[in-house]
Amino acid sequence: AQRVTQPEKLLSVFKGAPVELKCNYSYSGSPELFWYVQYSRQRLQLLLRHISRESIKGFTADLNKGETSFHLKKPFAQEEDSAMYYCALLQGAQKLVFGQGTRLTINP
Amino acid sequence: DAGVTQSPTHLIKTRGQHVTLRCSPISGHKSVSWYQQVLGQGPQFIFQYYEKEERGRGNFPDRFSARQFPNYSSELNVNALLLGDSALYLCASSLAQGRLNTEAFFGQGTRLTVV
Repeated sequence: AQRVTQPEKLLSVFKGAPVELKCNYSYSGSPELFWYVQYSRQRLQLLLRHISRESIKGFTADLNKGETSFHLKKPFAQEEDSAMYYCALLQGAQKLVFGQGTRLTINP
Repeated sequence: DAGVTQSPTHLIKTRGQHVTLRCSPISGHKSVSWYQQVLGQGPQFIFQYYEKEERGRGNFPDRFSARQFPNYSSELNVNALLLGDSALYLCASSLAQGRLNTEAFFGQGTRLTVV
């Protein structure tokens, strides 16, 4: 069965430190993966998708098929990065399979 | 553009009752999906509708049903409510279905509490 695992429910780092949010997936086929973010009192929104291979707000994520991972990284954390982050896998035409989420807190 | 809108924002129901949640997609979006998010978990897929037809269904009991109207808005219905149905229900819309148009835009959700 397709599954997305985010092993860390909580992650706390200091401002300016590097951030890595882990995501592992299980999927038979060519996966399409996303990171969604939810800032305080805001709706869930797309942060980035692996097929775009772009950097959004300084975040990048590389798909590693060998390790079945799609970790989200940022070299220098900022306080405004504090939010809930969800890794998601597209199954079929429109079904998103989400991980449990990681709450990222950036300490000043 | 107000984005995806959901109503009501909060709802309290008693066990055994029925509930209807509503969603208006972004103008021009023809696909609507529903997700259930229990506290501490990620969203879980319930249904997807595209062009008024059900195109996908998650692992939820038959007490859950949905429909999409000609204007592409959608309703999620839950019968015989259980305490475990208490959750945030999210609606997401997208332009179309298929891997090339897969950015889903989410609403703020409806917080359902069953007592």
